[in-house]
Amino acid sequence: GAVVSQHPSRVICKSGTSVKIECRSLDFQATTMFWYRQFPKKSLMLMATSNEGSKATYEQGVEKDKFLINHASLTLSTLTVTSAHPEDSSFYICSASPPRHLRGNQPQHFGDGTRLSIL
Amino acid sequence: GIQVEQSPPDLILQEGANSTLRCNFSDSVNNLQWFHQNPWGQLINLFYIPSGTKQNGRLSATTVATERYSLLYISSSQTTDSGVYFCAVSWSSNTGKLIFGQGTTLQVKP
Repeated sequence: GAVVSQHPSRVICKSGTSVKIECRSLDFQATTMFWYRQFPKKSLMLMATSNEGSKATYEQGVEKDKFLINHASLTLSTLTVTSAHPEDSSFYICSASPPRHLRGNQPQHFGDGTRLSIL
Repeated sequence: GIQVEQSPPDLILQEGANSTLRCNFSDSVNNLQWFHQNPWGQLINLFYIPSGTKQNGRLSATTVATERYSLLYISSSQTTDSGVYFCAVSWSSNTGKLIFGQGTTLQVKP
């Protein structure tokens, strides 16, 4: 069964609204989670690293104020797309990483993704 | 940063044929995963293979870490194998984040 749950799977909303996407690790506590973005027919691009109990680390070119990340517990990270506009429409997918001391022996587990459409 | 290159970018096969997908990476890695992305966007984890060889049914993978490449073999391809195959890597000095290649789009014709 799935070890990472992502919700919602699809969102359609009006321009200017904020959208929150949740990523939960089901079978382990995740001190680190990752958020990716994928445009149609393109690869996955890492947006940010979500760190439990501290600020997220954003990749170059990713707007921190546009994509707010909160990792308040060991099993939940949220990505909020603030004041969304049509250019924010994309496929967003998260992954959860097992604890650091196990990372060398564990694959990353991915959620099923969220398809965001801004009208 | 590390570069990940996949080849070929596109591949069309007749059902029953075999194929090999390649992933080259520019530096040492401690994690390499192969994924199949289905039409709904779900990433199906095929192999976790930072080194060595693994097999799962009609699929197998080999990573030669010292030469910085990995191969994914698909034998007796089926139409359900169609989709995009991604290779992704991480390395010891990073936080475990995965860097993805550009993918190979496979189409298997009946």
